[in-house]
Amino acid sequence: EADIYQTPRYLVIGTGKKITLECSQTMGHDKMYWYQQDPGMELHLIHYSYGVNSTEKGDLSSESTVSRIRTEHFPLTLESARPSHTSQYLCASSARYETTGYTFGSGTRLTVV
Amino acid sequence: GDSVTQMEGPVTLSEEAFLTINCTYTATGYPSLFWYVQYPGEGLQLLLKATKADDKGSNKGFEATYRKETTSFHLEKGSVQVSDSAVYFCALGGNTGTASKLTFGTGTRLQVTL
Repeated sequence: EADIYQTPRYLVIGTGKKITLECSQTMGHDKMYWYQQDPGMELHLIHYSYGVNSTEKGDLSSESTVSRIRTEHFPLTLESARPSHTSQYLCASSARYETTGYTFGSGTRLTVV
Repeated sequence: GDSVTQMEGPVTLSEEAFLTINCTYTATGYPSLFWYVQYPGEGLQLLLKATKADDKGSNKGFEATYRKETTSFHLEKGSVQVSDSAVYFCALGGNTGTASKLTFGTGTRLQVTL
């Protein structure tokens, strides 16, 4: 049974629409992350949070934004979707120290037409 | 900075063949090391990990040994199955007890055929 949930699993949306990808975890983890995964498989960190009201941009520049007003919830928003945003988005969480590794959600596959 | 280098794929093997996926890293101190697996259409799952030198992580027939002298953490399995077809990611964590992010390799796709 998954401890980190992403919704929706699949989303097809028109250009210019605003979308929010949801991510929730039930493990009480302080840290949460958003990755964009390209078709070549490589993972790109786009946002992360080390706790409530803490958000940082990742290694890959992204037009998306995130918020963290509750420990368990870390939504990602695109104000105006474009075809270049078509990708797989993966959410992950971890305890304070990375020796335990990350727990990943099942991902949201976004297609912007 | 920290980095992880994985062998490029795809790796194609027949069922029951021996698998090795190479992973080497660059880091200071004593990082934790991980292997993750991603099945088609899914997120990543932790496969195994090792937190100090000479530790061997193992799970589902897969093994990897933390070799500090060669800065390597190669993934091995003695006899692969079709169900092992997936993408495998090597990852590097911060020094034990620190709070840094994981660094992932670029992934290696494994395809196992009958």
